[in-house]
Amino acid sequence: GAVVSQHPSRVICKSGTSVKIECRSLDFQATTMFWYRQFPKQSLMLMATSNEGSKATYEQGVEKDKFLINHASLTLSTLTVTSAHPEDSSFYICSARDQGGGQASSYNEQFFGPGTRLTVL
Amino acid sequence: GDSVTQMEGPVTLSEEAFLTINCTYTATGYPSLFWYVQYPGEGLQLLLKATKADDKGSNKGFEATYRKETTSFHLEKGSVQVSDSAVYFCALRDTGANSKLTFGKGITLSVRP
Repeated sequence: GAVVSQHPSRVICKSGTSVKIECRSLDFQATTMFWYRQFPKQSLMLMATSNEGSKATYEQGVEKDKFLINHASLTLSTLTVTSAHPEDSSFYICSARDQGGGQASSYNEQFFGPGTRLTVL
Repeated sequence: GDSVTQMEGPVTLSEEAFLTINCTYTATGYPSLFWYVQYPGEGLQLLLKATKADDKGSNKGFEATYRKETTSFHLEKGSVQVSDSAVYFCALRDTGANSKLTFGKGITLSVRP
């Protein structure tokens, strides 16, 4: 089946530093990827939609200058948390929409990465 | 706008018990409906889906039927196992190839041996 990877799985950083999280679709092309944030015991909150070759679309209330998204290829999107603070500590999950190159049965479905646990000290 | 409402949790069951997790939705179009499962410390996995009214999605012993008349997509399993302990999310994607997923709040299921 379609596989999405995220790297790193866990990161601890000091307040004020920037952290980059990668999301890759391993066996299909994804012109659209999504970035979610999940607080403990809560649902996923969509932060932004990442579009290959163009600017990301951010949800209301999400600071685009703080959460930089780059979708440079059909298989890679990155989320950079700039000048991280303790309140940015969270579980970040990406998903990718299968738009070709994989199994026909998974076309146009979203597949989720395993998540990245960010802890800002 | 679109919304998904799940029953309040958590739910604790004994092994081999029957499971029902309720999910209802509100959508402007003709959505596709999904159940996702999240095991501890992991991302979401698609459990099953249904794309139109009266469709039944099934996987790993779980089933859910798309009920348009009651706008529901309840998840059921006849005999749960300890390994089914996880968080379950109901979600919808409205019509349109680029529509986003809308998630319910999720419910934690714990199965005791």
